[in-house]
Amino acid sequence: GAGVSQSPRYKVAKRGQDVALRCDPISGHVSLFWYQQALGQGPEFLTYFQNEAQLDKSGLPSDRFFAERPEGSVSTLKIQRTQQEDSAVYLCASSGGGGGETQYFGPGTRLLVL
Amino acid sequence: AQKITQTQPGMFVQEKEAVTLDCTYDTSDPSYGLFWYKQPSSGEMIFLIYQGSYDQQNATEGRYSLNFQKARKSANLVISASQLGDSAMYFCAMRLSGGYNKLIFGAGTRLAVHP
Repeated sequence: GAGVSQSPRYKVAKRGQDVALRCDPISGHVSLFWYQQALGQGPEFLTYFQNEAQLDKSGLPSDRFFAERPEGSVSTLKIQRTQQEDSAVYLCASSGGGGGETQYFGPGTRLLVL
Repeated sequence: AQKITQTQPGMFVQEKEAVTLDCTYDTSDPSYGLFWYKQPSSGEMIFLIYQGSYDQQNATEGRYSLNFQKARKSANLVISASQLGDSAMYFCAMRLSGGYNKLIFGAGTRLAVHP
């Protein structure tokens, strides 16, 4: 595919359930970012991967949030024991190298926790 | 503290006219990049334009131009000849040279283009 893809596009979870959100970056892109966008706000950084290495996880809001990219391509963001405040759009972005290239975003996963 | 400020929650413009969306930033880092993204109702963030802190000329991409005033720490987006399809949320973002290139976003401006 030409762009970043994310699945599922929509996810409804009951409070306390675990969820897994998937990101397929642009083929060959080294850098991968996860952002969280609350309703009516701009995206906020969660975590960053360079290939399979998670170099920055300073934005993860709690230890319930976990991300991985085991083979340096597809990434999964996992949220354990979801809470209502986790309801947001989760955006994935990728860029070509390890430097300051433009980040290209996927369509996002809209998570609603009831 | 590094911060992006977008003071216009909403703007409207007549089709075919130009519109300026404001963005100011705060950083003490001498090397940084400024981006504008468009987010239609579908949710995807679409890259529009980039300006590096050391770039001498204002960036342009088709109908988009970035009015970069470094001393004022502003990076306003100018959209010329507005089209109905330009109606969307617009976000200004900053990338610092450190910090693994994560982006810091403003709160966004919702643009409505009227026929």
